Amino acid sequence: QSALTQPPSASGSPGQSVTISCTGTSSDVGGYNYVSWYQQHPGKAPKLMIYEVSKRPSGVPDRFSGSKSGNTASLTVSGLQAEDEADYYCSSYAGSNKGPVFGGGTKLTVL
Amino acid sequence: EVQLVESGGGLIQPGGSLRLSCAASGFTVSSNYMSWVRQAPGKGLEWVSVIYSGGSTYYADSVKGRFTISRDNSKNTLYLQMNSLRAEDTAVYYCARDLGDGSAFDIWGQGTMVTVSS
Repeated sequence: QSALTQPPSASGSPGQSVTISCTGTSSDVGGYNYVSWYQQHPGKAPKLMIYEVSKRPSGVPDRFSGSKSGNTASLTVSGLQAEDEADYYCSSYAGSNKGPVFGGGTKLTVL
Repeated sequence: EVQLVESGGGLIQPGGSLRLSCAASGFTVSSNYMSWVRQAPGKGLEWVSVIYSGGSTYYADSVKGRFTISRDNSKNTLYLQMNSLRAEDTAVYYCARDLGDGSAFDIWGQGTMVTVSS
C-alpha cells in the first residue's frame, strides 16, 4: 500500500482539462511544500513534471500545473493532448534522512 | 549531456547478491544527492536508498541491512550492493539525481531489471 493516495485512473478528451489528486498526511504532503509529480510512459523512466508543489522544470509545457491544499495535492493537465496519456505519480518529502514517499500512480487516458 | 546509465541487473536466485552500477555523465555524482528508486512489475515507484553529497546514507526499511549504496568519485559512478535478495525485490531499479533538497528527482536512468527467482 502506497503512502500517498491517488485515483487509479483519470480520463479526458483532447483539449479538455483533467485534475489528478494526491492525498497524504500532515507528515508529508501537508507538512511541506515539497510535492512533485512524475509522468511515466510504458517502458520508460519517470520524468519530473512538477516540483515544490507548482514549479515546472525547463521544457515542461505550461499545460501542466500543480497546487496543494492541506494534505491534498493536485496535478492539472490543461488542453489534453494524445501524448499526455501516461501514468502519473505524485511524491512528497517526508522528513530529513529519508527518501520521499510516492503515490500509487494514476493512469491518464486521453479519449 | 546530463545522463545516468544503469547496469548490472539480471536473474538471481533468492538469497543471492547483485551489484548495480549507475554511470553519470554531464555532472558530478559526489556533488549531488543520489538515490535508487525501484518499481516492481505493474506497480508504483518505491524509494530505496540515498547517498548525500556529504556521504551519509539512508535506506528504506524494506532493504535496510541488506542493501548498501555507495559511489566511486573517480569513476563518477553510483552503486547499489544488494545482498540476501528476496522475490519481493524483483523490480526495475532506477538511479536518480535529487534536485538537492531531498524532495524530487530531476534526472533518471533508463532502469535495470532485477529478477529474483529460483
